[in-house]
Amino acid sequence: ETGVTQSPTHLIKTRGQQVTLRCSSQSGHNTVSWYQQALGQGPQFIFQYYREEENGRGNFPPRFSGLQFPNYSSELNVNALELDDSALYLCASSPGRPAYEQYFGPGTRLTVT
Amino acid sequence: AQSVAQPEDQVNVAEGNPLTVKCTYSVSGNPYLFWYVQYPNRGLQFLLKYITGDNLVKGSYGFEAEFNKSQTSFHLKKPSALVSDSALYFCAVRGLNTDKLIFGTGTRLQVFP
Repeated sequence: ETGVTQSPTHLIKTRGQQVTLRCSSQSGHNTVSWYQQALGQGPQFIFQYYREEENGRGNFPPRFSGLQFPNYSSELNVNALELDDSALYLCASSPGRPAYEQYFGPGTRLTVT
Repeated sequence: AQSVAQPEDQVNVAEGNPLTVKCTYSVSGNPYLFWYVQYPNRGLQFLLKYITGDNLVKGSYGFEAEFNKSQTSFHLKKPSALVSDSALYFCAVRGLNTDKLIFGTGTRLQVFP
């Protein structure tokens, strides 16, 4: 059974640019959630996708957007990058809803300069 | 609003001694509580959850947690600590009527040989 995978591992972008992060959910999982973990803090919920539709959103601006594909993989897109967007971005998948157990990927470390 | 608090930034314990990592919660309705562990440059690994039932929850790697409704606590415990248990531990609560996880600020556990 393959776990949650994320790509790329690390990414460096310049302020104002756009970035796309990718996540492959664990086999059999149709729910994907994205979290942002700033240095020294706990993860903050960005949004969740369930069966290709957004199903809940945290306190993040609209320049954070996402997609879920028919195979349940997912993308996180961030437009107009700001320095404060520098963080570890974590994807978590769950075998449906309610998502009592969420299984996290290793994360993508985004640095905005 | 749902929230958790981890009052200790760091816990130090000698190998072989019992360990406790503290977490208190504030919720509306029934609490759905979780513990996750994060190793350096890694994503979060699920340890255990409390949804309902027995107040003592057993999880992965020999960890357990005690749910105490009167004290609104959900402390993580292990009878005998290992050096390899050294990591960052997060307590989390499920959001009200959502799947989002609300994390504490984390507690760094250091186990000394």
